Amino acid sequence: SQTIHQWPATLVQPVGSPLSLECTVEGTSNPNLYWYRQAAGRGLQLLFYSVGIGQISSEVPQNLSASRPQDRQFILSSKKLLLSDSGFYLCAWGHRGVRYEQYFGPGTRLTVT
Amino acid sequence: KNQVEQSPQSLIILEGKNCTLQCNYTVSPFSNLRWYKQDTGRGPVSLTIMTFSENTKSNGRYTATLDADTKQSSLHITASQLSDSASYICVVSPRSGANNLFFGTGTRLTVIP
Repeated sequence: SQTIHQWPATLVQPVGSPLSLECTVEGTSNPNLYWYRQAAGRGLQLLFYSVGIGQISSEVPQNLSASRPQDRQFILSSKKLLLSDSGFYLCAWGHRGVRYEQYFGPGTRLTVT
Repeated sequence: KNQVEQSPQSLIILEGKNCTLQCNYTVSPFSNLRWYKQDTGRGPVSLTIMTFSENTKSNGRYTATLDADTKQSSLHITASQLSDSASYICVVSPRSGANNLFFGTGTRLTVIP
């Protein structure tokens, strides 16, 4: 069976510090990978998606970037965090070619102080 | 503009009672609609998925209905349990487009003893 992991589970970082959130998927190959942000009282916002190694599409221009160094690894980064980057970050995977089938990870709660 | 709106925003019910959550969408053309359950601080978990040709889909005590003509869906929870306390998110997938899904902001359900 497939499993998706995210870490850390929670993170408190000062404004201006760097960020690296990691997501890995087990039990599948060539998945589509997604990063979402969920702000309090708001719906999920798609940040990045990837259909293969090194292939990243950005949905919203912002202070964040994503990378996919390996087939089942997806990383969300920032060089300098802003207060507005606080939120709940979710990684999701889906079968290649099945766009609407997305399985979510446990999430990372990021608080920027 | 493609949108997904859910109501009510929050709901409190007594354990053992039934409830119905609503989802209205304007996404067109429409491919499918999913209901997710998201426990606090966790990633969303899929409950049901319906294509435009399906009117109802059940998953245990959860029953989702879809009226593609009026662009409305509902999620009915029968004999609620304390563990049903969560946010319920409606997600609509358009027929075309790369990886865009449209998320509702969710209904926060609290079941009290």
